[in-house]
Amino acid sequence: NAGVTQTPKFRVLKTGQSMTLLCAQDMNHEYMYWYRQDPGMGLRLIHYSVGEGTTAKGEVPDGYNVSRLKKQNFLLGLESAAPSQTSVYFCASSWSIEGELFFGEGSRLTVL
Amino acid sequence: SQKIEQNSEALNIQEGKTATLTCNYTNYSPAYLQWYRQDPGRGPVFLLLIRENEKEKRKERLKVTFDTTLKQSLFHITASQPADSATYLCASLTGGFKTIFGAGTRLFVKA
Repeated sequence: NAGVTQTPKFRVLKTGQSMTLLCAQDMNHEYMYWYRQDPGMGLRLIHYSVGEGTTAKGEVPDGYNVSRLKKQNFLLGLESAAPSQTSVYFCASSWSIEGELFFGEGSRLTVL
Repeated sequence: SQKIEQNSEALNIQEGKTATLTCNYTNYSPAYLQWYRQDPGRGPVFLLLIRENEKEKRKERLKVTFDTTLKQSLFHITASQPADSATYLCASLTGGFKTIFGAGTRLFVKA
């Protein structure tokens, strides 16, 4: 039982490049989330999904897009990376709206 | 806007003492609060959930309180150990299915 798996774990991009972070969960959870974590800022919600085919904006959605085509996968895309998007990205899932969040190990992204 | 605030200063305590961490919320009334532990380079791990009508909840050496008058939750670790050293995060659900987090408090337990 892998839980929540994020790929890649590390990535370096140049400004303007695009990339996709993949999150996969094997717990059959309905809810999935993408957060970014920056020093002193804590975890900030980027986008989330309450079920397959649904997505919604979180606290800091600008510059990111997401898709949830399959229940087990939640993709986070950066169309044109900016240095301000240098961060550690965490994916999480939960079985209910108030259930505990299960997190992946994080994806460290550096934009030069 | 709805916010969760935690003491950004690190907490340093001696092994065996009780660590107390604070979580304050503003501009909303959460139905519950969650506490997570995060080790360096790892994702957060869920510890406890306390509902607004529970006042206090315990799990082994952990105790969480919820004071709706003060808009505050306290997280206690009794008989602390060096292995308890980590960052502790407070979280809650806001409107629209959004779970938001505080910035976390780093705890150092000295042997």
